[in-house]
Amino acid sequence: QQQVKQSPQSLIVQKGGISIINCAYENTAFDYFPWYQQFPGKGPALLIAIRPDVSEKKEGRFTISFNKSAKQFSLHIMDSQPGDSATYFCAAIKPDSSYKLIFGSGTRLLVRP
Amino acid sequence: DGGITQSPKYLFRKEGQNVTLSCEQNLNHDAMYWYRQDPGQGLRLIYYSQIVNDFQKGDIAEGYSVSREKKESFPLTVTSAQKNPTAFYLCASSIFDEQYFGPGTRLTVT
Repeated sequence: QQQVKQSPQSLIVQKGGISIINCAYENTAFDYFPWYQQFPGKGPALLIAIRPDVSEKKEGRFTISFNKSAKQFSLHIMDSQPGDSATYFCAAIKPDSSYKLIFGSGTRLLVRP
Repeated sequence: DGGITQSPKYLFRKEGQNVTLSCEQNLNHDAMYWYRQDPGQGLRLIYYSQIVNDFQKGDIAEGYSVSREKKESFPLTVTSAQKNPTAFYLCASSIFDEQYFGPGTRLTVT
């Protein structure tokens, strides 16, 4: 119930293509879903986040799609660039949980030039 | 510059020694967190603190200790009781849901 399942584990995309990373959750009490981007040797950076009352959120080339009934959410990276090559983590927070993040296992994205 | 600082960036210790990792934030965030990340793995919560002088164990607290004497500071001590301390340690702070991470400390114990 506390898990967030992330797929795929790794992803290779050509420059200019669309990268799609998926996450699924069981606990319907989760009410905040952030995505983090992490480069090797660096701390994760908050990329974009969504709440369940919205089905889609877009910031530049990054879009979160949220399907409340399916308990799934995904990150779409449009026009993927080599500089997007990083590990991406989805996460979820339950209210009244001290804002503890439940992380997915991560997806290593490689964008080929 | 507002942000979270962790020092040192790299730390080397001999087995059996305690070591303290520093985490400071000037974002005026109430909550702070410590995570551990192993190669190719996700993040696991060690300890967290919502207010000064109060902290709770996370999922993997055994072998670690923390203190929260000031709002800005949340140091983590890796004790000799931690069986496998070599890892990348990340500190974070949050304002409500939004959690921000520091640059991390890579600890190597030999």
